[in-house]
Amino acid sequence: EVQLVESGGGLVRPGGSLRVSCAGSGFIFKNAWMTWVRQAPGKGLEWVGRVRSETDGGTTDYAAPVKGRFTISRDDSKNVVYLQMDSLKTEDTALYFCATQGGFFPYWGRGTQVTVSS
Amino acid sequence: EIVMTQSPESLAVSLGERATINCKSSKSVLYDSDKKNYLAWYQKKPGQPPQLLFYWATTRQSGVPDRFIGSGSGTDFTLTISSLQAEDVAVYYCQQYYTTPSLTFGGGTRVEIK
Repeated sequence: EVQLVESGGGLVRPGGSLRVSCAGSGFIFKNAWMTWVRQAPGKGLEWVGRVRSETDGGTTDYAAPVKGRFTISRDDSKNVVYLQMDSLKTEDTALYFCATQGGFFPYWGRGTQVTVSS
Repeated sequence: EIVMTQSPESLAVSLGERATINCKSSKSVLYDSDKKNYLAWYQKKPGQPPQLLFYWATTRQSGVPDRFIGSGSGTDFTLTISSLQAEDVAVYYCQQYYTTPSLTFGGGTRVEIK
């Protein structure tokens, strides 16, 4: 059974940094493209970014609102993908989900809450 | 970036009646080379992650009841719930995966019981 478990969320001040993680199991993690999606309070789903598998180059893509501030990385030895968030803004407050498999996502974690507030 | 526009924003339907959700993309998501529409639908309930309902616009994900129907092509798509059940109360999202790297979701349609 595919499982994705996010962790590391919390409260952070504007301008601060936070790293959240997503641990995967039940699938061949090293072959998976891993994606982050967020949902702000009362808002819809927003794609944040993704990292390709190492065999597909291990490259990353980001949505415009987070490009230059967020960094996605992976550790295939631990089956974990990370979302490093720097220069956080209040509008980054959201529930952050990781998801996997290609352009559409049959597998999701339950999310980790990130709150940016002074 | 392809903009996905859903309508209506919300709708209330009686149990057993039909619910229809529309999704329009700002450009075609039909890929010429494989004739596939790069469009997915999700159901989102409070406190739960999104659940994939359809991919390639019309391919039902395993385990999704057949009262859910995905249709459309090009720029116009529809998610139909043929006979609304209480457990279908949720927010529904379309998502295009035609353009990479930027994937985009529609704004969501809230379905409630009348």
